[in-house]
Amino acid sequence: KAGVTQTPRYLIKTRGQQVTLSCSPISGHRSVSWYQQTPGQGLQFLFEYFSETQRNKGNFPGRFSGRQFSNSRSEMNVSTLELGDSALYLCASSSLSGGPDTQYFGPGTRLTVL
Amino acid sequence: GQQLNQSPQSMFIQEGEDVSMNCTSSSIFNTWLWYKQEPGEGPVLLIALYKAGELTSNGRLTAQFGITRKDSFLNISASIPSDVGIYFCAGQRSGAGSYQLTFGKGTKLSVIP
Repeated sequence: KAGVTQTPRYLIKTRGQQVTLSCSPISGHRSVSWYQQTPGQGLQFLFEYFSETQRNKGNFPGRFSGRQFSNSRSEMNVSTLELGDSALYLCASSSLSGGPDTQYFGPGTRLTVL
Repeated sequence: GQQLNQSPQSMFIQEGEDVSMNCTSSSIFNTWLWYKQEPGEGPVLLIALYKAGELTSNGRLTAQFGITRKDSFLNISASIPSDVGIYFCAGQRSGAGSYQLTFGKGTKLSVIP
């Protein structure tokens, strides 16, 4: 079974631009969560989608948004990029058939904002 | 956002030594998880704990869910070079199947052969 895939793996943008990251969950998984990882703040929860609906949201500004498609693939968008948005963005998928141990992480997208 | 207090931040140990790291929180969690992350990869789940007082092993790894539900520890016995990486604790509160996790800042483990 293929794991969680994220594209692109690396991205360089400039301040003010917007960016869209993509996540394809493990086949059959319907829940996708997004996390931001930085050296200073560590791993922080952005939002979670299930069946195309956002079920939970972390404490991030409205510039961070996401969506999920009918095939469970998810995208997250960051508008008006700031230097502090440079981070590793991780997505995790889950089948929701059990507890949190069904949550699998992808390799992440490394975003650098110049 | 809320963070868990994870310590130590980093460790340098000799191959063969045992390792211990822990996480504490001011809030109660229903589930404690321990992940390992290697360069260029996402976190990989090592151990999941669901019940206060639970002690669970996975090979050379042992983790415990604290009685107060506000802490957890991870032990690695007889460390080997491939144990190198960053270890994260994570806590989850129950809530309609939502999988929001709160993470510690990680313990960076270096193993000297």
